[in-house]
Amino acid sequence: EDQVTQSPEALRLQEGESSSLNCSYTVSGLRGLFWYRQDPGKGPEFLFTLYSAGEEKEKERLKATLTKKESFLHITAPKPEDSATYLCAVLTLYNFNKFYFGSGTKLNVKP
Amino acid sequence: NAGVTQTPKFQVLKTGQSMTLQCAQDMNHNSMYWYRQDPGMGLRLIYYSASEGTTDKGEVPNGYNVSRLNKREFSLRLESAAPSQTSVYFCASSDGTVLSYEQYFGPGTRLTVT
Repeated sequence: EDQVTQSPEALRLQEGESSSLNCSYTVSGLRGLFWYRQDPGKGPEFLFTLYSAGEEKEKERLKATLTKKESFLHITAPKPEDSATYLCAVLTLYNFNKFYFGSGTKLNVKP
Repeated sequence: NAGVTQTPKFQVLKTGQSMTLQCAQDMNHNSMYWYRQDPGMGLRLIYYSASEGTTDKGEVPNGYNVSRLNKREFSLRLESAAPSQTSVYFCASSDGTVLSYEQYFGPGTRLTVT
């Protein structure tokens, strides 16, 4: 069964304290892995797409990486405005319209 | 460019009432989706439409119907609302081709069924 698990469920960081969020997946064939940011009361906002193991994408303080079993979202020197819930989703080779979402990591960055 | 818009933003229904959630996108995307988001359960796919004129069931379709009115619009109907349908509903769209799979989401509809 296709499955996506994110850890930790919640993460508290001090401003400037770097860390990583994990997204592990079990799918029969990966077409792509997606990271989203969701602010309270809003819809998810697209961040990155990763297609193959070894691929990396960066945007400001965020860097996403992909292996054959998991993806990491590295946050370098976070700021309070990085506080949000981060979601990952996978798309399989067999249906390019069915995305499987993890339940998210809620990040809180304290000043 | 408004992206993905949803109406209404908030709705309170009584058990057994019906309603339609509206969604529109202006990005000329082929695929459109309806999700529900409940605490601790992540986003779950209700229905999707891979192209104008087609719709398919997702993970949790029971109690819902959809209509892909044209390429821009995709509506979700609750025929007889139940308290278990209390949730936040998101519409999303994507190009859905090898060029671009990522989804773009609307702001959500917060539905309470009493």
